[in-house]
Amino acid sequence: EVQLLESGGGLVRPGGSLRLSCAASGFTFNNYAMGWVRQAPGKGLEWVSTISASGGSTYDADSVKGRFTSSRDNSKNTLYLQMNSLRAEDTAVYYCARFWGAGKVMVTRFDYWGQGTLVTVSS
Amino acid sequence: DIQMTQSPSSLSASVGDRVTITCQATQDISNYLNWYQQKPGKAPKLLIYDASNLEIGVPSRFSGSGSGTDFTFTISSLQPEDLATYYCQQYIDLWTFGQGTKVEVK
Repeated sequence: EVQLLESGGGLVRPGGSLRLSCAASGFTFNNYAMGWVRQAPGKGLEWVSTISASGGSTYDADSVKGRFTSSRDNSKNTLYLQMNSLRAEDTAVYYCARFWGAGKVMVTRFDYWGQGTLVTVSS
Repeated sequence: DIQMTQSPSSLSASVGDRVTITCQATQDISNYLNWYQQKPGKAPKLLIYDASNLEIGVPSRFSGSGSGTDFTFTISSLQPEDLATYYCQQYIDLWTFGQGTKVEVK
């Protein structure tokens, strides 16, 4: 059974940093691209970041570019999101999600999602 | 950047009703579109991929159609458990979600 378990959320002051983790199990982690999607309270879904299966390529939304970095440790089956220079508008539930298709060059749809971890940026 | 606009933002319908949601892209995205369902307090769930393909295990009352810039998501006979917010998502140029359509059951 595919499982994705996020951790690392919490309360942080504006300008601070936080690192989220997503522990994956139930599939061959290093065969799949992964992504982060966030949802501000009462708002819709916003794609944040994508990382290729090898970790060699990353893509970030303009809203977080230069502040957030996704990475992965395939030996530990874990995905990370390093968040720096946090702002109030980064307050959201952060989901990690798996892209469908082992070894696919084109990453298209999210087929499995974690339960999310809440990040609150406030003074 | 490609923007996705869903309509309506919310709707209320009765059990058994046919429900239709539209999603419009700001440029041609071919059939590079997915639909997700998010129930209150839960993570999203993939329902439809590549505009019209039903994900395994998803009830057949859900369907999708369209290509280019205009897409439609339909629930043929609304059920109480379909209370949720539905999102479209394009993947031709990075990944973008629509703003969501909240479906309430009368």
